[in-house]
Amino acid sequence: DAGVTQSPTHLIKTRGQQVTLRCSPKSGHDTVSWYQQALGQGPQFIFQYYEEEERQRGNFPDRFSGHQFPNYSSELNVNALLLGDSALYLCASSKWLDTEAFFGQGTRLTVV
Amino acid sequence: ELKVEQNPLFLSMQEKKNYTIYCNYSTTSDRLYWYRQDPGKSLESLFVLLSNGAVKQEGRLMASLDTKARLSTLHITAAVHDLSATYFCAVDEYNAGKSTFGDGTTLTVKP
Repeated sequence: DAGVTQSPTHLIKTRGQQVTLRCSPKSGHDTVSWYQQALGQGPQFIFQYYEEEERQRGNFPDRFSGHQFPNYSSELNVNALLLGDSALYLCASSKWLDTEAFFGQGTRLTVV
Repeated sequence: ELKVEQNPLFLSMQEKKNYTIYCNYSTTSDRLYWYRQDPGKSLESLFVLLSNGAVKQEGRLMASLDTKARLSTLHITAAVHDLSATYFCAVDEYNAGKSTFGDGTTLTVKP
């Protein structure tokens, strides 16, 4: 079992650009959640996808959007990048309404 | 809005000493998680606590949950250097995958 996999592992983008991050959930999981972790802080919930729909959303602007595919994998898109978007982006997968989520290794995004 | 507070935020311990990290949260919840994070790495799940009075132990770490006090503790027994990391507690309001995290406790164990 490969666990939760994210790609790419590192990414450097310029302000104003757009970025897409990808996540493949753990085998048997159908729910994907995305978190942003700024340096020195705890992760903050961005949104959650189940059955290809956004189910819950945290306090993030519309520049952050996502998608879930029929195979349960997910993408996080960020438009009009700001310097403050530099962070570690974590994907977590779980079974819907289950008690435990498993995190991927994260994508380190640097905006310059 | 659910708030999760950890203390202390930084903890420097000597090896073989005991200490406790505290996690307070602001609304009713019966799902609390403890994670470990090493520098530059992702989150490693340590404990899942699902009911009032739940206690779980793994090696030198023991976690407990008091839902009435809205308090969880992570107790470290006879610390060793390998435990140096940042520890996060997280609370779910609804289901797994939408967690509110504390700011983390950075633990340094010194010889």
